[in-house]
Amino acid sequence: EIVMTQSPATLSVSPGERATLSCRASQSVSSNLAWYQQKPGQAPRLLMYDASTRATGIPARFSGSGSGTEFTLTIGSLQSEDFAVYYCQQYNNWPPYTFGQGTKLDIK
Amino acid sequence: QVQLVQSGAEVKKPGASVKVSCKASGYTFTTYGITWVRQAPGQGLEWMGWISDYNGNTRYAQNFQGRVTMTTDTSTSTAYMELRSLRSDDTAMYYCARSRGNFPFWNYWGQGTLVTVSS
Repeated sequence: EIVMTQSPATLSVSPGERATLSCRASQSVSSNLAWYQQKPGQAPRLLMYDASTRATGIPARFSGSGSGTEFTLTIGSLQSEDFAVYYCQQYNNWPPYTFGQGTKLDIK
Repeated sequence: QVQLVQSGAEVKKPGASVKVSCKASGYTFTTYGITWVRQAPGQGLEWMGWISDYNGNTRYAQNFQGRVTMTTDTSTSTAYMELRSLRSDDTAMYYCARSRGNFPFWNYWGQGTLVTVSS
């Protein structure tokens, strides 16, 4: 099973600033990585797939990069609605598909 | 538009079983698979398994092998996830989800079903 590790666990950033979230895989997942955003009381929302492709309707301030074992989600100029928990998910090897433990992005 | 509507919250005793439903609408049901993901309170996401709504093929996470059964009813466009021998650590929100195509990442999610296991 591929283990996904996200860092940091919590990231405090001021609105308007940029946030950089990291995700590391225990073995190469190529570019088979997705990112999700989850707000309290809501289901996850797909942000990114194939490491760097934005899902439909996702604003351009969200960008993804990386391949192999190291991945980054960058959110430029944070808006109030961006404060949430973010999860990465690998889909290179299954079963199972695996998620990181999440990074909570909160307001500084 | 694509919608996945799940059944309501459940409270079960340890050792019991629960069956959660996920009714799909807005697309041809036998085109895409349904995935089940759960989330314990305050915890992260855990992939449980997948079922093809075309032919009923399933793949389960090892953690749930022998305790979970996923099925579909194409006549009602509904997917089901049954979990048996419930334990307190099965207390979680259970989500069904679907991709836009036949992809292993998920654009559409149900609203979640809270299953509480308590004596």
